Amino acid sequence: KAGVTQTPRYLIKTRGQQVTLSCSPISGHRSVSWYQQTPGQGLQFLFEYFSETQRNKGNFPGRFSGRQFSNSRSEMNVSTLELGDSALYLCASSLGLRGVEQYFGPGTRLTVT
Amino acid sequence: AQKVTQAQTEISVVEKEDVTLDCVYETRDTTYYLFWYKQPPSGELVFLIRRNSFDEQNEISGRYSWNFQKSTSSFNFTITASQVVDSAVYFCALSEEKSSGDKLTFGTGTRLAVRP
Repeated sequence: KAGVTQTPRYLIKTRGQQVTLSCSPISGHRSVSWYQQTPGQGLQFLFEYFSETQRNKGNFPGRFSGRQFSNSRSEMNVSTLELGDSALYLCASSLGLRGVEQYFGPGTRLTVT
Repeated sequence: AQKVTQAQTEISVVEKEDVTLDCVYETRDTTYYLFWYKQPPSGELVFLIRRNSFDEQNEISGRYSWNFQKSTSSFNFTITASQVVDSAVYFCALSEEKSSGDKLTFGTGTRLAVRP
């Protein structure tokens, strides 16, 4: 089975721009979660989608949004980019059952200049 | 609120040494799940193990073993006879039953360096 894929792998954007990141989960997985990883804040939960519905949301401003499509693929969008949004964005997929393990993709490295 | 503490920021050992990575968690939920992930330099988080709060049995998988103790809220990870390939950042994580969905709360990670 193919693993979780994320595109693009690297991205450089300018402050004020917006960006869309994409995640394709493992086949059969219905839950997709997004995490932000920075040296200062570590790994932080952004949000989770299950069957096209947002099931949980972390403490991030409204500039961070996401969605999930009927094929379970997910996108996250960050509008009005700030320097502090520079991070590794990790996507994880799971079967969506309570407490099951999540499998992570390679991440998208976003640099905001 | 849930919290995971990994007090060891960095550990350096010589190959073939045993090493234990500590993880202490806090939760008010009676049903919860604990995980360990490995993050090699490539950046991808690799799942290692999952434990639910009702299963306190220790587990061994090859050179890896895990010790779960509810009495001390700890879920420690031991690598026996460490190898250079074990060099990575290791994260302990917690998921609560009452939390809707799959939200994982991570510790700050322990960077393990295994020297030849």
